[in-house]
Amino acid sequence: AQSVAQPEDQVNVAEGNPLTVKCTYSVSGNPYLFWYVQYPNRGLQFLLKYITGDNLVKGSYGFEAEFNKSQTSFHLKKPSALVSDSALYFCAVREPSGNTGKLIFGQGTTLQVKP
Amino acid sequence: DAGVIQSPRHEVTEMGQEVTLRCKPISGHNSLFWYRQTMMRGLELLIYFNNNVPIDDSGMPEDRFSAKMPNASFSTLKIQPSEPRDSAVYFCASSLDRGGQPQHFGDGTRLSIL
Repeated sequence: AQSVAQPEDQVNVAEGNPLTVKCTYSVSGNPYLFWYVQYPNRGLQFLLKYITGDNLVKGSYGFEAEFNKSQTSFHLKKPSALVSDSALYFCAVREPSGNTGKLIFGQGTTLQVKP
Repeated sequence: DAGVIQSPRHEVTEMGQEVTLRCKPISGHNSLFWYRQTMMRGLELLIYFNNNVPIDDSGMPEDRFSAKMPNASFSTLKIQPSEPRDSAVYFCASSLDRGGQPQHFGDGTRLSIL
């Protein structure tokens, strides 16, 4: 069965420092991987995805993620954090075939960026 | 472009009442998903539709919950009778089922059952 793990409930980082939010997955075959962000009282917003190709994927708001097949990881990164990046982040995985877009989400990681 | 539209944004009602949540997906999207989010259980997929047909309703908590999609531009999630433990934020999302397209979420309905 496919699954996603976000091992950290919360990540704290100082403004201007690099940030990493971790994600590991378990899925048969080659996965489709996604990152979403959720701000208070809002729905999840799509940040970026990996389908195939370059292992480093760039997305919205300066975020990027690196797909590592051997470690089954898809960590979210940003070189310089902003206070406004503070939010709840979700990693998600979808099998590339056999279903109709259903995603399996991780439990979420709260990112706190302090001034 | 209009995103996924959910109504109402907030609903407060008494236990035992019927609750109906509404969703208008993005035009042209052919998959629609209903989620529930709580602090205790996180984000849970309740049911999803493809081309207006329910594909997987294994996440629907019990028979009090039902969902319909009468056409490509409208879906409802109904709870009857409602209970306090149904209090949560309910999200609708839609996607185009092609080439790994992402799901797009509405801003949710915050439901409080007293």
